[in-house]
Amino acid sequence: QVQLQESGPGLVKPSGTLFLTCAVSGVSVSSGNWWSWVRQPPGKGLEWIGEVYHSGSASYNPSLKSRVTMSVDKSENQLSLRLSSVTAADTAVYYCARGGMTGIPPNYWGQGILVTVSS
Amino acid sequence: EIVLTQSPGTLSLSPGERATLSCRASQSVSSSSLAWYQQTPGQAPRLLIYGASSRATGIPDRFSGGGSGTDFTLTISRLEPEDFAVYYCQQYGSSPITFGQGTRLEIK
Repeated sequence: QVQLQESGPGLVKPSGTLFLTCAVSGVSVSSGNWWSWVRQPPGKGLEWIGEVYHSGSASYNPSLKSRVTMSVDKSENQLSLRLSSVTAADTAVYYCARGGMTGIPPNYWGQGILVTVSS
Repeated sequence: EIVLTQSPGTLSLSPGERATLSCRASQSVSSSSLAWYQQTPGQAPRLLIYGASSRATGIPDRFSGGGSGTDFTLTISRLEPEDFAVYYCQQYGSSPITFGQGTRLEIK
């Protein structure tokens, strides 16, 4: 059974860097899937951050591209998301998910992690 | 980027009734790469429909999707109590992936 679990700090200071990991079980991150990150500000809708492939290829939302880096750690079977220069507008629940623009869209999701940007 | 507009914003219906949700795209969605998700409070989105009309694994057949080009619909034939939630459409044929703003389906 495919499972994803996000982890990382729940509080990040303004201008700092948000760093999250997503542990994947039940499937290898090298299995040919794209892996997405999606976020949702409290009480608002969903925003796609980007997607990454096990080769390291990635595609980012232009609205965040200058601040985002995604990667895949094959040895740990996990994903990572780095978002720099954060502001209060980056406060959201962050989800990792299997799937992206190719094939089936995100169909397995982590439970999400709330990250608050505040001093 | 493709902008998705969902209507109505809120839909009030009773269990057993039929629900029809709409999603309109600002430009044609390639290869009918349109999906629908259900989200209940505190939970991650759940994929219901992909490819505009294909049900995801384990999704009951009371959920159906249709449409092409710029106009898409999600139909729930007979509402069950657990169907009252927020529904999002998503296009994944063009980068960036975008979502509609959501339709809240509430109990009347």
